Amino acid sequence: GQQLNQSPQSMFIQEGEDVSMNCTSSSIFNTWLWYKQDPGEGPVLLIALYKAGELTSNGRLTAQFGITRKDSFLNISASIPSDVGIYFCAGRPEDDKIIFGKGTRLHILP
Amino acid sequence: DTAVSQTPKYLVTQMGNDKSIKCEQNLGHDTMYWYKQDSKKFLKIMFSYNNKELIINETVPNRFSPKSPDKAHLNLHINSLELGDSAVYFCASSQVGGSETQYFGPGTRLLVL
Repeated sequence: GQQLNQSPQSMFIQEGEDVSMNCTSSSIFNTWLWYKQDPGEGPVLLIALYKAGELTSNGRLTAQFGITRKDSFLNISASIPSDVGIYFCAGRPEDDKIIFGKGTRLHILP
Repeated sequence: DTAVSQTPKYLVTQMGNDKSIKCEQNLGHDTMYWYKQDSKKFLKIMFSYNNKELIINETVPNRFSPKSPDKAHLNLHINSLELGDSAVYFCASSQVGGSETQYFGPGTRLLVL
């Protein structure tokens, strides 16, 4: 089956630091999505990417659809306490259903 | 207005019982999903319905039976609950042919004792 690898699994950073996480796939994807899940809530869409090379920003968040169509990254600049949560990448391979990565757990140290 | 809603939010029950979780979306989407999120927070798709028809049925015990009375509702019925069924269950919806972005409900936290 399709494989989607998300890294890192966890991050511990200081407030104000920039954050970078990525997902790689074993095959070509047509869509990349990035979600955030706050404790006790459902995942909420942050950024959607539909074309190879596409770079999209949402406030302090920036995500890119890799040129090879097998990877995507999400950057968060100048992290703040409310950025804490689990970030999921999701991708749709050609002619297949969307699959989710295992999440990156972002912790901000006091 | 809530886009995807689920009830109940919490469900605590005894092993062996039968229970249902309801989901409704008011986004006009034609596809709805059920996901299971385990204690490690891994999200795994269970079912997908498009216009009331089952299109994805992952390896899920047949004790789990989805029912879609119309395209705005997808309910999940679970028979003979087991301890391992304890998890958070998320409903989601999307529009096939559109952005295909999935919008998630708030989740139902199921605890089987």
